[in-house]
Amino acid sequence: GDSVTQMEGPVTLSEEAFLTINCTYTATGYPSLFWYVQYPGEGLQLLLKATKADDKGSNKGFEATYRKETTSFHLEKGSVQVSDSAVYFCALRATGNQFYFGTGTSLTVIP
Amino acid sequence: KAGVTQTPRYLIKTRGQQVTLSCSPISGHRSVSWYQQTPGQGLQFLFEYFSETQRNKGNFPGRFSGRQFSNSRSEMNVSTLELGDSALYLCASCPSGTYQETQYFGPGTRLLVL
Repeated sequence: GDSVTQMEGPVTLSEEAFLTINCTYTATGYPSLFWYVQYPGEGLQLLLKATKADDKGSNKGFEATYRKETTSFHLEKGSVQVSDSAVYFCALRATGNQFYFGTGTSLTVIP
Repeated sequence: KAGVTQTPRYLIKTRGQQVTLSCSPISGHRSVSWYQQTPGQGLQFLFEYFSETQRNKGNFPGRFSGRQFSNSRSEMNVSTLELGDSALYLCASCPSGTYQETQYFGPGTRLLVL
């Protein structure tokens, strides 16, 4: 079945450091891939998405590229800020199916 | 456009009781999904409704049920509550549930079972 494997946290970085959160997936079809972010006490918000192979999603300085050959969708940001502290979820959805979420990666950015 | 709204935001119940949570999707959205979020299990899919029909179902016991009304609003019910049902319950909506669509989440209902 479909599934998402996400890098475990927690991750602690200093401000302006480079961020990578790994995400790999298993899917029988051709899914869309998503990164969601959850701030404390809130629901999930879409960060970025990609709907086909080689697409790059980007938002707020975050980027992720849909790599079909390595079944990956790693999240990157060149310079993190304290305000990026949150939990990040990788997710996929294939046609006719439910969303599958990774377990979440907690990121803390210290000044 | 107003976002996804969930009521109530917080709830305290005792074991054996039942509870009903409500979700109003974004206007025009016909697909509503429910998730249970706990620190130990992460985000787990409960079910998805589209046009008043359950389209997908996760691996939860029959105590968890849901329904969707003609205006796309959805409710989920948990009967015979157990301590382990304490969690944040999230509702999400999207226009029709195709694989390219983004799901938009509500703020959640935090349920505490004592």
